[in-house]
Amino acid sequence: GQQLNQSPQSMFIQEGEDVSMNCTSSSIFNTWLWYKQDPGEGPVLLIALYKAGELTSNGRLTAQFGITRKDSFLNISASIPSDVGIYFCAGQPSGSARQLTFGSGTQLTVLP
Amino acid sequence: ETGVTQTPRHLVMGMTNKKSLKCEQHLGHNAMYWYKQSAKKPLELMFVYNFKEQTENNSVPSRFSPECPNSSHLFLHLHTLQPEDSALYLCASSQAGEAGELFFGEGSRLTVL
Repeated sequence: GQQLNQSPQSMFIQEGEDVSMNCTSSSIFNTWLWYKQDPGEGPVLLIALYKAGELTSNGRLTAQFGITRKDSFLNISASIPSDVGIYFCAGQPSGSARQLTFGSGTQLTVLP
Repeated sequence: ETGVTQTPRHLVMGMTNKKSLKCEQHLGHNAMYWYKQSAKKPLELMFVYNFKEQTENNSVPSRFSPECPNSSHLFLHLHTLQPEDSALYLCASSQAGEAGELFFGEGSRLTVL
């Protein structure tokens, strides 16, 4: 089945820094989504992307659907302590398979 | 009242026990899902229900038995589990046909001794 390569696996950054993470696949995806999971909670949808080349922002978060439809990135600007958590990319593959494929997550730690 | 509620939040069981996980959604969705989350691994889809009918079983062992009595409730019955089944089990819901926009519960942390 389809696999997503999410990187980096973990990041340690200073408060106020910008963050970038990405997902790549060998297959084409119709939809890219980014979720955040706080400790002890379920994942929460941050941004959904539906068109190749689409660039969408949600506050300090910006995500893009790659032109090739095989990648996506998420940027967080001016990080704050509450940005700590695990960020997951997810993609809905093209073709008959409708269910999401998830990346293995990026663990973000924001240092004061 | 949160959108998707899971109980219990934590469960410890022996390999010979029978227990159940419960999920309830208050979002008016008609698709519900069970996912397994293990450390450092991608979320693994287990089961999908659309309008109470099971539409996907992702090669899950029979010791996991799902039940969906209506579009708002989903159960996962557990029987003779193995230690490697220890994980966070996440329930999610969505509008049918919109598998991308999943709303997750807080999860049930399962430990099998």
